[in-house]
Amino acid sequence: GESVGLHLPTLSVQEGDNSIINCAYSNSASDYFIWYKQESGKGPQFIIDIRSNMDKRQGQRVTVLLNKTVKHLSLQIAATQPGDSAVYFCGGGKLIFGQGTELSVKP
Amino acid sequence: NAGVTQTPKFQVLKTGQSMTLQCAQDMNHEYMSWYRQDPGMGLRLIHYSVGAGITDQGEVPNGYNVSRSTTEDFPLRLLSAAPSQTSVYFCASSDRGNSPLHFGNGTRLTVT
Repeated sequence: GESVGLHLPTLSVQEGDNSIINCAYSNSASDYFIWYKQESGKGPQFIIDIRSNMDKRQGQRVTVLLNKTVKHLSLQIAATQPGDSAVYFCGGGKLIFGQGTELSVKP
Repeated sequence: NAGVTQTPKFQVLKTGQSMTLQCAQDMNHEYMSWYRQDPGMGLRLIHYSVGAGITDQGEVPNGYNVSRSTTEDFPLRLLSAAPSQTSVYFCASSDRGNSPLHFGNGTRLTVT
């Protein structure tokens, strides 16, 4: 089957620094990956997605990188702000999510 | 558009009681799904549906039933609640194919 997981359950960064959240997957047949952000008391919200025919996709302050060779996905957040503090989930296809990484931003 | 609406927001049940968690979406999405979220466990898929009249089991279906009589609604039924079903439940919907999920804000269920 397919599984998508995250490397670290928590990540603490200084405000203004860049953040990198990592994710590994085990099924090379997956052709679509997603990052979600979940703030306390809310449902996950879509941040950015990438299809398997791409290596990189940029949004506003966020970049997703896909390395199909090592089956690795990462989310980079530039100039991290206190409002970025949340739990971040990666997804593969529609049905699979990792355990989540809790990002804490120190002012 | 309201997006995905879940009711109730909070619920306390006694062991053995039954209840239905409601989920409705107004985006005409074909795909809908239910997850439960427990500390340290991430989001685990309970049931999903790829269209009206079609449902299938996810990772943790035991103790839960679903039906999909309309495109808009996807209720989750607990037939006989157990303390192990204490969790936060999220409903989500999306277009078919490769597209992101839209989540509701969850129902926090406590079973005593």
